[in-house]
Amino acid sequence: DIQMTQSPSSLSASVGDRVTISCRASQNINNYLNWYQHKPGKVPELLIYTASNLQSGVPSRFSGSGSGTDFTLTISSLQPEDFATYYCQQTYSLSRAFGQGTKLEI
Amino acid sequence: QITLKESGPTLVKPTQTLTLTCTFSGFSVSTPGVGVGWIRQSPGEALEWLAIIYWDDDKRYSPSLKSRLAISKDTSKNEVVLTMTVLDPADTATYYCAHRLVAAPHDVFDVWGQGTMVTVSS
Repeated sequence: DIQMTQSPSSLSASVGDRVTISCRASQNINNYLNWYQHKPGKVPELLIYTASNLQSGVPSRFSGSGSGTDFTLTISSLQPEDFATYYCQQTYSLSRAFGQGTKLEI
Repeated sequence: QITLKESGPTLVKPTQTLTLTCTFSGFSVSTPGVGVGWIRQSPGEALEWLAIIYWDDDKRYSPSLKSRLAISKDTSKNEVVLTMTVLDPADTATYYCAHRLVAAPHDVFDVWGQGTMVTVSS
């Protein structure tokens, strides 16, 4: 089945930094790729869907790109509230697999 | 405004069956394009997709858990129910239900419930 691999697994950054998180699929998933943000004790929040579509209400500093097997989530200027774990998820195959997560720390 | 809330037991014994209910408002599960899915997260682990039911009663399950899962809906009650059989301590997790974004051409979960923690232990 399709495996999703995120890199890095963890990342230290500062407020104002530009951050890029990668997600690679083990086979072609077209652009059926979503990104979620998850903070401890909170509900996962949809950021990006279909690889590059910004979900309504999500700040424009978040952006997504990619197609096929390689995808990227970019945060243009980190804000204090952005420190969280980020997950990609493919919905091309039945497993709907999530990546293992990228923990973004201060 | 779309809201979802999960309910069910907090403690289940190994080998028992778990039944979780997702009660929602702000949409109808009979509207074309609508779906409700279940996702879980075990402590310290990544999110794991479990199942989804669509407006037309089509159902999809995680291949690795398909033999243990059943999903159903009650349109009149605005409820979706997930049943998982033969519980194991590895099934200890927070279970979320979520609304499928109708506008997307694939499964995208745009609104999530608060989650319910289930512990499997004797």
